[in-house]
Amino acid sequence: EVQLVQSGGEVKKPGESLKISCEGSGYRYHAYWIAWVRQMPGRGLEWMGIIYPADSDTRYSPSFQGHVTISVDKSINTAYLQWSSLKASDTAMYYCARQAVAGPYIDYWGQGTLVTVSS
Amino acid sequence: EIVMTQSPATLSVSPGERVTLSCRASQSVSSSLAWYQQKPGQAPRLLIYGASTRATGIPARFSGSGSGTEFTLTISSLQSEDFAVYYCQQYSDWPLYTFGQGTKLEI
Repeated sequence: EVQLVQSGGEVKKPGESLKISCEGSGYRYHAYWIAWVRQMPGRGLEWMGIIYPADSDTRYSPSFQGHVTISVDKSINTAYLQWSSLKASDTAMYYCARQAVAGPYIDYWGQGTLVTVSS
Repeated sequence: EIVMTQSPATLSVSPGERVTLSCRASQSVSSSLAWYQQKPGQAPRLLIYGASTRATGIPARFSGSGSGTEFTLTISSLQSEDFAVYYCQQYSDWPLYTFGQGTKLEI
């Protein structure tokens, strides 16, 4: 069974750093791109970026380039999304998701990690 | 960036009704279009890919159609568990996926 299990919710202050994780199991982890998607409270889905675990090839949405860093540790089947300095506007649910090998749509989603940034 | 526009934003419907949701792309995406369902407090779930192919385990009452810039998701007979938000997504312009803003089905 394909599973993407994300780390737990976080409460942070503005200016703090954060790294959240997404562990995959039940499939050949290094062979599938992993995407990160943001959902702000009461809003829709926004694609942030994507990484290929086999070689760490990473692509970012222009809207998020420079604001977040996506990385992967293929030895433990885990992708990461990190911020060096959080803002209140980063408060959102963050999903990791697997891109299907048959076509670049998303076929599996993690359960989401809620990040709350508040002073 | 390809902009995806869904209509309507909210649709009030009753169980048993047939429903059609629309999604329009700002430029052609061929058939590189997926639909997702999101229920409150849950992650999205893939319903349709390739504009018209149902994902594994998706009931036959869900169907997708269209190509180019105009797409529809049809639910032939609404069940209570279908009340949710539905998003379309283009993946033609990979890796620059874009989502529509969503259509909420409410009772």
